[in-house]
Amino acid sequence: TQLLEQSPQFLSIQEGENLTVYCNSSSVFSSLQWYRQEPGEGPVLLVTVVTGGEVKKLKRLTFQFGDARKDSSLHITAAQPGDTGLYLCAGGRADGLTFGKGTHLIIQP
Amino acid sequence: KAGVTQTPRYLIKTRGQQVTLSCSPISGHRSVSWYQQTPGQGLQFLFEYFSETQRNKGNFPGRFSGRQFSNSRSEMNVSTLELGDSALYLCASSPVGGTNEKLFFGSGTQLSVL
Repeated sequence: TQLLEQSPQFLSIQEGENLTVYCNSSSVFSSLQWYRQEPGEGPVLLVTVVTGGEVKKLKRLTFQFGDARKDSSLHITAAQPGDTGLYLCAGGRADGLTFGKGTHLIIQP
Repeated sequence: KAGVTQTPRYLIKTRGQQVTLSCSPISGHRSVSWYQQTPGQGLQFLFEYFSETQRNKGNFPGRFSGRQFSNSRSEMNVSTLELGDSALYLCASSPVGGTNEKLFFGSGTQLSVL
């Protein structure tokens, strides 16, 4: 059983559209990190959220941590081809970081 | 500042062989973690080293081992390779480790076991 479930697994949309991807768990995390990974590269950290209910914005990307610190969402406004990649969430617990399997996002021009 | 460097970039081995992968962390970073990434299982934690000591370990068999040197460089070793060990092996470094700390990943070593 995967500790962190990410949905959807795959998403392909047109440039300019909005989208939301989700990261859900039944466990409580001390923090939640979002990474983006491009083909042939390692993941790169986008944001870390720590407080339940916290919202962080990074240009067109909005990240939210659930009130109970069990889930998170990533919303992208006006998606661009450069947003294409694998989006990974990772939950922090005492025994380390646990990653979800990720959402493969393709933004078509 | 140079990023995390992993060598080799690609590796092809046959079943039963052993392999050693290398990771040089960002200068000043003392924590090095290793992850296995496969399409089916995603990113799975192997182990973390800090100041030459294994601080945390994931749920992998004993064939997977690692070590860290005094300069924080790390190696991981996989003995008696199996087909299922084919994966992208990622190394990540951070200043002191910890669950809220940002991880800096290398580009990985793509291991194919034939």
